[in-house]
Amino acid sequence: AQKVTQAQTEISVVEKEDVTLDCVYETRDTTYYLFWYKQPPSGELVFLIRRNSFDEQNEISGRYSWNFQKSTSSFNFTITASQVVDSAVYFCALSEAREYGNKLVFGAGTILRVKS
Amino acid sequence: GAGVSQSPSNKVTEKGKDVELRCDPISGHTALYWYRQSLGQGLEFLIYFQGNSAPDKSGLPSDRFSAERTGGSVSTLTIQRTQQEDSAVYLCASSLVGGGTSGNTIYFGEGSWLTVV
Repeated sequence: AQKVTQAQTEISVVEKEDVTLDCVYETRDTTYYLFWYKQPPSGELVFLIRRNSFDEQNEISGRYSWNFQKSTSSFNFTITASQVVDSAVYFCALSEAREYGNKLVFGAGTILRVKS
Repeated sequence: GAGVSQSPSNKVTEKGKDVELRCDPISGHTALYWYRQSLGQGLEFLIYFQGNSAPDKSGLPSDRFSAERTGGSVSTLTIQRTQQEDSAVYLCASSLVGGGTSGNTIYFGEGSWLTVV
């Protein structure tokens, strides 16, 4: 069975601090996809990244970076020099490769509060 | 449209009434998903459409819930005889295609906030 664990319920940081959001997943499949979504107060889930299980290369996009480690089944997300606009709920999700739809299994989410 | 559009944004209904929630996916997206977000359960998958058919309905919580999709585009989620536990945000999402090993990116709408009183 698939499972995604985001152990950090809530994190508070001061602007300009770096912050890492943890994500640990479980799956029996060898082919799967990992996602991060941001949910600001407006409620929309904003896509941030998708990672294929065969691609362990870390990725950087501006102040965002992701560390994918299959050995520890983790897909952690780091925000460098955090800003108030980063305040949101962040969800990690897993999708297995299936014939019918890439159904997402979400973690419980981590609330990030960035204070000025 | 540019993104996934959902209506209504907010709906307050009395227990026992039926409600319909609408989703207009991104133009050209063949796969459409409904998810539910509630305080106690987090984000849960409800149903997946590929075109107008629904090969995966495994997440629908009861027979009071149904959904359809027409013209390979707009989808309607219907909840009959609403109960207070149905109160949640109902999120619609779409992707270019669904299934296989493509791992398509799934884009979400802003959701329909349903409150059953």
